[in-house]
Amino acid sequence: QVYLQESGPGLVKPAETLSLTCTVSGVSISSGAYHWVWVRQAPTKGLEWIGTVYVSGTTSPYGGTTYYNPSLGSRLTISVDTSENHFSLKLDSLSAADTAIYYCARLTSGAGQFYWGQGTLVTVSS
Amino acid sequence: QSALTQPASVSGSPGQSITISCTGTSSDVGNHNLVSWYQQHPGKAPKLIIYEDIKRPSGVSTRFSGSKSGNTASLTISGLRTEDESDYYCCSYAGRQTWVFGGGTTLTVL
Repeated sequence: QVYLQESGPGLVKPAETLSLTCTVSGVSISSGAYHWVWVRQAPTKGLEWIGTVYVSGTTSPYGGTTYYNPSLGSRLTISVDTSENHFSLKLDSLSAADTAIYYCARLTSGAGQFYWGQGTLVTVSS
Repeated sequence: QSALTQPASVSGSPGQSITISCTGTSSDVGNHNLVSWYQQHPGKAPKLIIYEDIKRPSGVSTRFSGSKSGNTASLTISGLRTEDESDYYCCSYAGRQTWVFGGGTTLTVL
């Protein structure tokens, strides 16, 4: 069984940076079997794909190929730490519009199957 | 990259069938066989119920089925049950390793 668990602050101030981590158990994130994804859901809104990281055995321990939602532009960084078997999200210059439940998920890219963590609520407020 | 279009709400009575549409473009829904559907109960994470347009994961009821025509994918739930009352989201591959979700549909079982 593969489990994903998000962790990070529940409250962040405007203009600051959000850092979240998704710890994966049950499979190595560098196995190449899955892509690793961040998705968010603003209150009473739909789901929004944030970005993806893919790690293969030939990637450096702290590297990975990343794909980002263009709407988030240069504010977003997704990275991996294969030694800790987790991947992370960093989102800069926060505003109230970034208030959301943030989910990490594993993605079988060739089949479009997303399997989700439980999510973590992040509120941007002073 | 625009969100896929879903109706905000649908409703049906127990035992009936309902269909939820998901309209995209020739760059996403119409260009790849990678539409998936998710069921999300309040306060819970989404759950995969359909992938690759029409396939069901192991353990998902056969009452759930997917289809696609052109740029529009559809989710049909037959033999509605009260426990089907939930939010439903579609998702499509949009090329270059990007993904787009629909705005979600709330299903009410009357």
